[in-house]
Amino acid sequence: EIVLTQSPGTLSLSPGERATLSCGASQSISSRDLGWYQQKPGQAPRLLIYGASNRATGIPDRFSGSGSGTDFTLTISGLEPEDFAVYYCQHYGSSPVWTFGPGTKVEIK
Amino acid sequence: EVQLVQSGAQVRKPGESLMLSCKASGYSFSSYWIGWVRQMPGKGLEWMGIVFPGDSYPGRSNTLYSPSFRGQVTISADRSISTAYLQWSSLKASHTAMYYCARYFVAGDPQGFDVWGQGTMVTVSS
Repeated sequence: EIVLTQSPGTLSLSPGERATLSCGASQSISSRDLGWYQQKPGQAPRLLIYGASNRATGIPDRFSGSGSGTDFTLTISGLEPEDFAVYYCQHYGSSPVWTFGPGTKVEIK
Repeated sequence: EVQLVQSGAQVRKPGESLMLSCKASGYSFSSYWIGWVRQMPGKGLEWMGIVFPGDSYPGRSNTLYSPSFRGQVTISADRSISTAYLQWSSLKASHTAMYYCARYFVAGDPQGFDVWGQGTMVTVSS
């Protein structure tokens, strides 16, 4: 079973700043099997990025994903007030066991 | 519009059984996997398992479970009514959580859980 780690646990930033979130896998995974989700309090998660770097429908271009192998990154180029939330990476697809990372909370500084 | 609509909040006593539903609309239900995700109060997302409502193939299971949930829950689907289910035969207080269903979308390459239900809160208390 692949284990995902995320860092940092909490990121304190101001609106307009750049956010860089990391997701690490315990073994190498295909980029096509890595996604990122955003969850705001009281809401269901929302798909942001699939295949490590592809924005989902309707996602603003300030969100971007990159990485390969065991190291993946979600970048928010300039934080908007609505971007303060918890972000999760997920491994899915080719493995019979899918997992989420523990999440990174992006909070207002 | 593609939608997943989940059954309403549930309150049960320990030892009782429960089945949650997730009704799909706006797309071909039999063509895409449906997954279930648990979120305990104040905690992160946990993948529970996933079911493919379409035809089964020899040697391929239509249902996958996380090792953490295998034997604890049953995931199923009824394509005649475009509905997926998550059920317990004997609830525990530790099952108190929000449960989400989500569609796993594949168009050539996999695209993750692109549509989510609104969630069902399950409270187990004596």
